[in-house]
Amino acid sequence: DTGVSQNPRHKITKRGQNVTFRCDPISEHNRLYWYRQTLGQGPEFLTYFQNEAQLEKSRLLSDRFSAERPKGSFSTLEIQRTEQGDSAMYLCASRALAGTQETQYFGPGTRLLVL
Amino acid sequence: AQSVTQPDIHITVSEGASLELRCNYSYGATPYLFWYVQSPGQGLQLLLKYFSGDTLVQGIKGFEAEFKRSQSSFNLRKPSVHWSDAAEYFCAWMRSNDYKLSFGAGTTVTVRA
Repeated sequence: DTGVSQNPRHKITKRGQNVTFRCDPISEHNRLYWYRQTLGQGPEFLTYFQNEAQLEKSRLLSDRFSAERPKGSFSTLEIQRTEQGDSAMYLCASRALAGTQETQYFGPGTRLLVL
Repeated sequence: AQSVTQPDIHITVSEGASLELRCNYSYGATPYLFWYVQSPGQGLQLLLKYFSGDTLVQGIKGFEAEFKRSQSSFNLRKPSVHWSDAAEYFCAWMRSNDYKLSFGAGTTVTVRA
């Protein structure tokens, strides 16, 4: 399967714990995006990378959130000191940089529940 | 601010009936518009996209959408729905500089037998 993969698919944690999610984009896709989706809402942009460079972070991304993309391959999203409000689906997407009409492909998401 | 709005939160349609989902956009220039579908617990799958040219866009799974500048709309249609079309549908627009997607709140489609 050559699509975008995310691990884990589900995560249950207690408030105050740290969690880390991983995203493996489609091979050779330069751009990688993270979105967050809460119940009943559309996905909201969090941050994106071009290769290993993080080019933009949304105001939704508080200081407790950090994302990395070492070597421009997979990416990790870490949430420190989780809060109940962090409960959401975290989606990763990737696209080639070739042009405007390239498709952004989404992974299956990681569903986080903070108790 | 640029945005897309999906006025219908939930639509119920009978199997075999036609379906139309509304999407209105707010953008000065011609926007890049998309429709994605999300099945329960799954990620998003692209149905179709519009950048320019022919205003009637054909997508996968028998869906089509029509861009109407005069109405600032990009409505999604399917002539005959199948039970497997039950899902959540999102309209989105894309910024041309960083290709970031901004989504509407979504429309949940229920298909009854």
